[in-house]
Amino acid sequence: AQRVTQPEKLLSVFKGAPVELKCNYSYSGSPELFWYVQYSRQRLQLLLRHISRESIKGFTADLNKGETSFHLKKPFAQEEDSAMYYCALAGGYQKVTFGTGTKLQVIP
Amino acid sequence: DADVTQTPRNRITKTGKRIMLECSQTKGHDRMYWYRQDPGLGLRLIYYSFDVKDINKGEISDGYSVSRQAQAKFSLSLESAIPNQTALYFCATSDGTSGYEQYFGPGTRLTVT
Repeated sequence: AQRVTQPEKLLSVFKGAPVELKCNYSYSGSPELFWYVQYSRQRLQLLLRHISRESIKGFTADLNKGETSFHLKKPFAQEEDSAMYYCALAGGYQKVTFGTGTKLQVIP
Repeated sequence: DADVTQTPRNRITKTGKRIMLECSQTKGHDRMYWYRQDPGLGLRLIYYSFDVKDINKGEISDGYSVSRQAQAKFSLSLESAIPNQTALYFCATSDGTSGYEQYFGPGTRLTVT
C-alpha cells in the first residue's frame, strides 16, 4: 500500500522566516512525488515534482529515499505563500495518493 | 484555467435526494478522477477512470456511483445523499502518457441537510 503523511495540519511562520513543510511516504517501489498548492478560493495546482528538480516560486523539495521524505522548503517566506499544501505520491497502477495537507500561514 | 469545469459549483440538498455532479474537460486527457476534500482528511479518491470503458473504485466509493459518458465527461452521483457526504468535491484529469500530473477543476461545494 502507498501512503503519504503530512504531520502538521497548520504551520505558522513569520514573513522572511524559513519554511519547511514535512512529507513522509510509504511505498515499496520507486515513487513519483509531487507538491500541490491550493490558494484561497482557487483550485489545486501543481507546485513541483521531484523528477523535474525545479525551484518554483522559491520552493524546492528533495526526495530522500533513505528517510522516505519529500519535504518542501523555502528560505524566506512571503505573505503570498499562505495556502494549503498537499504532498502526493504516484505509485502502483498509476494511482495518486494525497496527504492530508498542511495549511501554511505566513504572518506579516 | 477553464480546461476542467464542474457544475454545479455549489449545491444544497436534503437527505435522501439523488444528486449528480458533472465534470467536463477540454484538455483531451484520457484519465479523470473524482475526489472529496474534508478538513483534516485531505483529498480522498472516490472513483477514477482511465478511459470510457475503464472505471475503478477509489478508497471511499461507498454511496457514490460514476458515469463516463465520453472522454471529456465524467459524472459523480450520490444516489441517496446523507449529511456526511457534505464536502468539497473535485474533479481532476491527467494525461496517462506523460506522467501523473493532475489538473483540477474548481470544485463543487455540496451540503446535505
